[in-house]
Amino acid sequence: GNSVTQMEGPVTLSEEAFLTINCTYTATGYPSLFWYVQYPGEGLQLLLKATKADDKGSNKGFEATYRKETTSFHLEKGSVQVSDSAVYFCALNTYGNQFYFGTGTSLTVIP
Amino acid sequence: DGGITQSPKYLFRKEGQNVTLSCEQNLNHDAMYWYRQDPGQGLRLIYYSQIVNDFQKGDIAEGYSVSREKKESFPLTVTSAQKNPTAFYLCASTRKAGPGTGSSYEQYFGPGTRLTVT
Repeated sequence: GNSVTQMEGPVTLSEEAFLTINCTYTATGYPSLFWYVQYPGEGLQLLLKATKADDKGSNKGFEATYRKETTSFHLEKGSVQVSDSAVYFCALNTYGNQFYFGTGTSLTVIP
Repeated sequence: DGGITQSPKYLFRKEGQNVTLSCEQNLNHDAMYWYRQDPGQGLRLIYYSQIVNDFQKGDIAEGYSVSREKKESFPLTVTSAQKNPTAFYLCASTRKAGPGTGSSYEQYFGPGTRLTVT
């Protein structure tokens, strides 16, 4: 079946630290992979995506590379800011309209 | 501006009452979804609809009902049969991104409705 596994949180970092949030997946076929961000009390926003192996998605300083050999899509940012504090969700879509989400990783960035 | 609207933002009900959550989109997306989110947990799919007048149960449909009479609207009713209805409810819709972006689907979310039942 299809599933997404994210690293457990919460993650707490100091401002300007390097961020990695791990995500691995299991999927039939050739999935597209996504990272979504959720700020407190809001819906999810699409952060970045990659649709095929070795693609790199990037947005707002965040990036993630689709690694088929390790079935991973780790989220990285070189220098986090307080405003990056949120919950991050990894997700996949294989065929059609079904999406599968990880359980989310909470990030807190302290000044 | 196109988007998904959910109303109200906060909703309070007494136990035993049915309540309907609104979801409207003007993105011209065919598919719409309802998810439930509990504190510290991921998203669980309640119902989804790929076209007007058709919908399918998700993983946790018991105690919920939906309708899809118009493409733009996908209301969710939380019935008194739902044993633990207090949660954050998210509506979403999906579009197919064009060939220039790898021909994948993308899902977009509304701002959510927080339902509290006492």
